[in-house]
Amino acid sequence: GQSLEQPSEVTAVEGAIVQINCTYQTSGFYGLSWYQQHDGGAPTFLSYNALDGLEETGRFSSFLSRSDSYGYLLLQELQMKDSASYFCAVKAGKSTFGDGTTLTVKP
Amino acid sequence: DTAVSQTPKYLVTQMGNDKSIKCEQNLGHDTMYWYKQDSKKFLKIMFSYNNKELIINETVPNRFSPKSPDKAHLNLHINSLELGDSAVYFCASLKEGGDEQFFGPGTRLTVL
Repeated sequence: GQSLEQPSEVTAVEGAIVQINCTYQTSGFYGLSWYQQHDGGAPTFLSYNALDGLEETGRFSSFLSRSDSYGYLLLQELQMKDSASYFCAVKAGKSTFGDGTTLTVKP
Repeated sequence: DTAVSQTPKYLVTQMGNDKSIKCEQNLGHDTMYWYKQDSKKFLKIMFSYNNKELIINETVPNRFSPKSPDKAHLNLHINSLELGDSAVYFCASLKEGGDEQFFGPGTRLTVL
């Protein structure tokens, strides 16, 4: 089967940097995705890593290490609007989502 | 134009009833999904269809029956609703070879 682990909650202040880790166990791994979901909203795609290394998209970056079955989402210059749930998801035949990390950004 | 749409947005019903949720995508994607998100926000895949054919059927009670009349539509029919079916149901689509799933706005189902 497939399993993913990510922290359930993270709290940070505006302007700070936060890293949300994700470890996974799966077979037939293709890549790791990250999604953001605000309360009452739908998940929206943030990034996808198929190869090892860092992918940067504005204030958000995502990292993957296939050998360690590990990835993270890095959020820089945190803003209040970044308060949301963040899900990692493995692409491995089917997509399996982690249980989500609730990020709270405080002033 | 809405990429992935779902109807209804809210559904409140009594235990034992039968209900349907509809999903349509205008992105030309080949693959569509149904996810269930419970009160703890866990997002679990239920079904996946590719070009109208079922390719993933997770351990879901057979009271849930998806139907894909064409590759742009994936509907979910639920028989004999139970309290535990209360959740938000999301439809999503994915293009062939793509990495980004596009989610619909969700249908909040409340079973009383």
